Amino acid sequence: DGGITQSPKYLFRKEGQNVTLSCEQNLNHDAMYWYRQDPGQGLRLIYYSQIVNDFQKGDIAEGYSVSREKKESFPLTVTSAQKNPTAFYLCASSQRDRIQYFGAGTRLSVL
Amino acid sequence: KNQVEQSPQSLIILEGKNCTLQCNYTVSPFSNLRWYKQDTGRGPVSLTIMTFSENTKSNGRYTATLDADTKQSSLHITASQLSDSASYICVVTFYNAGNMLTFGGGTRLMVKP
Repeated sequence: DGGITQSPKYLFRKEGQNVTLSCEQNLNHDAMYWYRQDPGQGLRLIYYSQIVNDFQKGDIAEGYSVSREKKESFPLTVTSAQKNPTAFYLCASSQRDRIQYFGAGTRLSVL
Repeated sequence: KNQVEQSPQSLIILEGKNCTLQCNYTVSPFSNLRWYKQDTGRGPVSLTIMTFSENTKSNGRYTATLDADTKQSSLHITASQLSDSASYICVVTFYNAGNMLTFGGGTRLMVKP
């Protein structure tokens, strides 16, 4: 099936720990995005990548890092510098400026 | 700053009834305006997409309208079903934001039997 796969569905982070959220797509899309969603708020852009080996900071990049070594994959690392990481994280992909397709999300909580 | 405001924040209706959700945006011109449906704990799924030159777009029981003069869009849901219970998110792509999306906070709709 074509689509975007995020894993894990639920993730728990201990204080001081880095954790990595996976995002894989088989839609052959050039662009991939990471968003953070907090209750009652609109999605906010963390990082995006328009092409392999290139990525740009979004509105709230502090405390996060990404890589784009393969077209299909855009993992997000939540570092210990992110002091309030509890949120729902959504990955999306699109072909240039066309419609973005979203994954099912990863819910990150702090232990 | 580009902003997208949605109202109401939440809405409860009875199954079979119609409802209308509102979206106001502050900056134009824009490339397109989209409505997404997001089930709880899931990613958003696109319902409609309209360019600035379109004023209505339908997808089954969902009809989106756009008034570029007043910078308003609405999503009308006809003959609601229990499966319509979800959050509905208005998303605008502004020309001055490099085709990045600006999301509204969403309207949480609950359809009761």
